[in-house]
Amino acid sequence: GQQVMQIPQYQHVQEGEDFTTYCNSSTTLSNIQWYKQRPGGHPVFLIQLVKSGEVKKQKRLTFQFGEAKKNSSLHITATQTTDVGTYFCAGPGGSTLGRLYFGRGTQLTVWP
Amino acid sequence: DGGITQSPKYLFRKEGQNVTLSCEQNLNHDAMYWYRQDPGQGLRLIYYSQIVNDFQKGDIAEGYSVSREKKESFPLTVTSAQKNPTAFYLCASRGQRVNTGELFFGEGSRLTVL
Repeated sequence: GQQVMQIPQYQHVQEGEDFTTYCNSSTTLSNIQWYKQRPGGHPVFLIQLVKSGEVKKQKRLTFQFGEAKKNSSLHITATQTTDVGTYFCAGPGGSTLGRLYFGRGTQLTVWP
Repeated sequence: DGGITQSPKYLFRKEGQNVTLSCEQNLNHDAMYWYRQDPGQGLRLIYYSQIVNDFQKGDIAEGYSVSREKKESFPLTVTSAQKNPTAFYLCASRGQRVNTGELFFGEGSRLTVL
């Protein structure tokens, strides 16, 4: 069945260092979404990528969708303590309308 | 303000008891979802509904039941058949009945079985 794999599971960085999380799908995705969950909170939508090779930026966050639409990445430049949380990627379920498959998430810790 | 409301926020239950988690949305969304979150497991889909009076099983539906009698409401019952019910439960909704568009999440319900 559909699977979305995400690595790494944990990442600890010093404030100011960069951070990247990677997402891979076993099948081609029509789109991919990214969410952020702060500690003790609920997931919040960050962005959706649709086009092959698409790159989108939100301030220090850069999102990429692979050419084959099977992988994606989220890169944070110069992390801040406010970036702490778990970042999830999610892809649709192919022929199963409405389903969204989430990766296991990357938990980011930022040391001041 | 429009949004998704989950209640209760915290719930304690004795083994063998059924419990129902409430999820209400006033976003006029067609699709609603229930996810379970355990540490290190990400979000696992329990049930989802694309339209009133219809719902489908997700990956871990055993021991759970749902109903969708109204567009705004999608309650989840955790039955005594669920082996490990202690978890964080998240309800979400989406406007479209297709494979695109963001999910809006409620603040979650944390269930602890004593």
